[in-house]
Amino acid sequence: GENVEQHPSTLSVQEGDSAVIKCTYSDSASNYFPWYKQELGKGPQLIIDIRSNVGEKKDQRIAVTLNKTAKHFSLHITETQPEDSAVYFCAASIRNNNDMRFGAGTRLTVKP
Amino acid sequence: SAVISQKPSRDICQRGTSLTIQCQVDSQVTMMFWYRQQPGQSLTLIATANQGSEATYESGFVIDKFPISRPNLTFSTLTVSNMSPEDSSIYLCSVGKGTYEQYFGPGTRLTVT
Repeated sequence: GENVEQHPSTLSVQEGDSAVIKCTYSDSASNYFPWYKQELGKGPQLIIDIRSNVGEKKDQRIAVTLNKTAKHFSLHITETQPEDSAVYFCAASIRNNNDMRFGAGTRLTVKP
Repeated sequence: SAVISQKPSRDICQRGTSLTIQCQVDSQVTMMFWYRQQPGQSLTLIATANQGSEATYESGFVIDKFPISRPNLTFSTLTVSNMSPEDSSIYLCSVGKGTYEQYFGPGTRLTVT
């Protein structure tokens, strides 16, 4: 089955800097790659996603890039703010949404 | 997206007892999912619950331990049976929207003593 690896496990940046989180997946049939943000005491929130027919997608300060050949995708957060502090999970899905596998998570801390 | 609520939000239970967690969504959905998130860990799928059919369980999870009901298109329950301290986790329900997306509820934080 699909295996998703996520790095780093923790990331600390200064407010205003950029943060990058990387994930790799094993199954070349995966075609949907969402990113979730989980704040303390809350459920995961879908913040951005990308499908396999697109190389990059941007939404304000966040962007996701996908390299299908290398089977990796990344989350980029620019101009980080303290409220960006959370645990971020990547995931990969094959064909439909009942086969979604999650990375181990990255704890992002943005220092004011 | 979807607005999803879970009850209870948290509970402390004694070992050997059972707890039923409810998940309610604000619109009709075909697919609902139950996940477990152990402290500081990632999300692990327990089962997929489609209305009108038996739940499909992932490897390592069995119906006797985690019975699931899906009586209609907006509601599902997960029961954690005969609990032990190892069952202490966050239990999350999610719903499938469109072809790909999943949206999560706020979670139920379970502590078993």
